[in-house]
Amino acid sequence: DVKVTQSSRYLVKRTGEKVFLECVQDMDHENMFWYRQDPGLGLRLIYFSYDVKMKEKGDIPEGYSVSREKKERFSLILESASTNQTSMYLCASSPGGLSNQPQHFGDGTRLSIL
Amino acid sequence: AQKITQTQPGMFVQEKEAVTLDCTYDTSDQSYGLFWYKQPSSGEMIFLIYQGSYDEQNATEGRYSLNFQKARKSANLVISASQLGDSAMYFCAMREDPYSSGTYKYIFGTGTRLKVLA
Repeated sequence: DVKVTQSSRYLVKRTGEKVFLECVQDMDHENMFWYRQDPGLGLRLIYFSYDVKMKEKGDIPEGYSVSREKKERFSLILESASTNQTSMYLCASSPGGLSNQPQHFGDGTRLSIL
Repeated sequence: AQKITQTQPGMFVQEKEAVTLDCTYDTSDQSYGLFWYKQPSSGEMIFLIYQGSYDEQNATEGRYSLNFQKARKSANLVISASQLGDSAMYFCAMREDPYSSGTYKYIFGTGTRLKVLA
C-alpha cells in the first residue's frame, strides 16, 4: 500500500515564524502536491512537483514556497507565517503518466498560526 | 478551464437507503479521469472510485457506483445501503490526460457533507 506521511498532525506557530511542513511518500511516485483545505472552499492547490527539483505553482501559491530535493520528499514552507494561513494542509502523491491514477493522501496537518 | 461543481453542501440519508451525491464538471479535453474521495472527520482522504472518460460502463466498487453521463458532464456518486460509517465529506475530482493537457493537476469540488441517520 502507498504510504504518504506528513510530519505533524497538529502544529501551532506564531506569526512571522518560518514554518516547514514535511511530506514523504514510499511508492516512488513522480508527482507530489500540497493543498490547503478550508470549510466551504474544498481543496485548493498550493504547489505541485512532477519531478525532483521541478515545481509548479498551483492556484494559491502566495506566501508559500516548496522544495523537492529527493523524489520521496516534498516540503511546504511558509516563509513568514500569518494568521490567514491557519488551515488544514494535505499532501498527496500520484504516479506520473495516465489520468486514471488516483492521488494518495497523507493524514493532513492542522496548522494554527497565533 | 477545468472546473468541478458539487451543488449539495450537505445531505441526509436514512440508514440502509441509497443516496446520490451530485458532481458536474467542465473540460474541453476528450481524455480525462473522474475520482471520488471520502474524508471522515479524522481528516484522511480515502479514494473510492474512478471513471475514465472513454469507459463505456459505469464504474462500481462494492456499495459505490458512479452514474456517468458524459453528454451532460455529470459524474454522480451513488452509495447503496447507507451505513452510519458513511457519514463523511465527499469530494469529486477530475484530472485531464497530462499528455494532452500538459498538466498533472487534479481539480476538486467543494465537497458534500453526508450524514447517515440511524
